[in-house]
Amino acid sequence: DAKTTQPPSMDCAEGRAANLPCNHSTISGNEYVYWYRQIHSQGPQYIIHGLKNNETNEMASLIITEDRKSSTLILPHATLRDTAVYYCIVRVNNDMRFGAGTRLTVKP
Amino acid sequence: DTGVSQDPRHKITKRGQNVTFRCDPISEHNRLYWYRQTLGQGPEFLTYFQNEAQLEKSRLLSDRFSAERPKGSFSTLEIQRTEQGDSAMYLCASTHPGTTYEQYFGPGTRLTVT
Repeated sequence: DAKTTQPPSMDCAEGRAANLPCNHSTISGNEYVYWYRQIHSQGPQYIIHGLKNNETNEMASLIITEDRKSSTLILPHATLRDTAVYYCIVRVNNDMRFGAGTRLTVKP
Repeated sequence: DTGVSQDPRHKITKRGQNVTFRCDPISEHNRLYWYRQTLGQGPEFLTYFQNEAQLEKSRLLSDRFSAERPKGSFSTLEIQRTEQGDSAMYLCASTHPGTTYEQYFGPGTRLTVT
């Protein structure tokens, strides 16, 4: 599996866009990029996934670079409830392997 | 509440004792996963089932650990001769056959080995 690199922590102002980066320079052609988040004391929650194209759903947008070596998760209008650890995962199949993730703190 | 339940939510046990955890997935979900999470780390994959078949086991799943899903519905994870290093949150997740990319996680069982 390709290794992912994420910053350990980030801050974001409430109401602003939160842009969470992920590097996956060794990704192979058939590996998907998945994003999950984990709010304190809860199990992880699926956010979004993609292969090549940018994706958007009701929670977030996923931007994957053309060479697929990095991606960015965008929360367009962060709220205090978005404070969580965000995990970027690269996998061929749907069996997730979580790293340490990015701790996002949304501040008022 | 995702619909995945785990029991018990908390378990305190003495070193050397056996413990068993239960996971009830969402009813139509055919895949079930077990993870372990220690403080400050992401969940670590332990094993997963498709229906009643255990298809993959992590190297983390030592001989003291065993998981079952006898009828393809609920699953149990047993730890024999617990050690202090087994103290962690044990998470269960399940997926619908049509959307296997979206794992639904339960609230977890927090194990403390004294």
